[in-house]
Amino acid sequence: AQSVTQLGSHVSVSEGALVLLRCNYSSSVPPYLFWYVQYPNQGLQLLLKYTSAATLVKGINGFEAEFKKSETSFHLTKPSAHMSDAAEYFCAVSEHGGATNKLIFGTGTLLAVQP
Amino acid sequence: NAGVTQTPKFQVLKTGQSMTLQCAQDMNHEYMSWYRQDPGMGLRLIHYSVGAGITDQGEVPNGYNVSRSTTEDFPLRLLSAAPSQTSVYFCASRQDGNYGYTFGSGTRLTVV
Repeated sequence: AQSVTQLGSHVSVSEGALVLLRCNYSSSVPPYLFWYVQYPNQGLQLLLKYTSAATLVKGINGFEAEFKKSETSFHLTKPSAHMSDAAEYFCAVSEHGGATNKLIFGTGTLLAVQP
Repeated sequence: NAGVTQTPKFQVLKTGQSMTLQCAQDMNHEYMSWYRQDPGMGLRLIHYSVGAGITDQGEVPNGYNVSRSTTEDFPLRLLSAAPSQTSVYFCASRQDGNYGYTFGSGTRLTVV
């Protein structure tokens, strides 16, 4: 069964500092991996996705993530945090080419950005 | 395009009542899913569908029913509401070959 673990339910950084949100996955087949962002009282917005092409994936708002098979990780980074990055971030995994279409989420990381 | 539209946005139910959460998408997406979001638990999959007439259970299906009579609509039915079903419900859809889901804005349900 697939699963996702997000280390750190709350992360706080200073404006301008590096953002690093951790995600580890478990999958018995090659995975598709995603990061979503949720702003308060809104739905989820896709930040970026890994679908077995380049291992370094660039997304919107300056975020990127690197797929590391050996570490079963897909950590999200941004070189310089902005106040507008404050939100909750979810990592998710889906089976590569899976017919079941299930997208399984982690429990989320709430990012706070301090001025 | 409106994307994924969920109605209502807010609902309060009494224990034992039934209701239907509506979800419609205008993108001709084959795949649709329902999730519930609870604090500290992320999003958990309730039911999903890979096309009209085809549905299956997710992680937490008990107490919920779905049907998919058209490509556009994927309603979620609460058969007999319980306080444990107080949550925020999200509907999502995606196109075949594109694994990035599009989410609706959610329905906040309170069962008293």
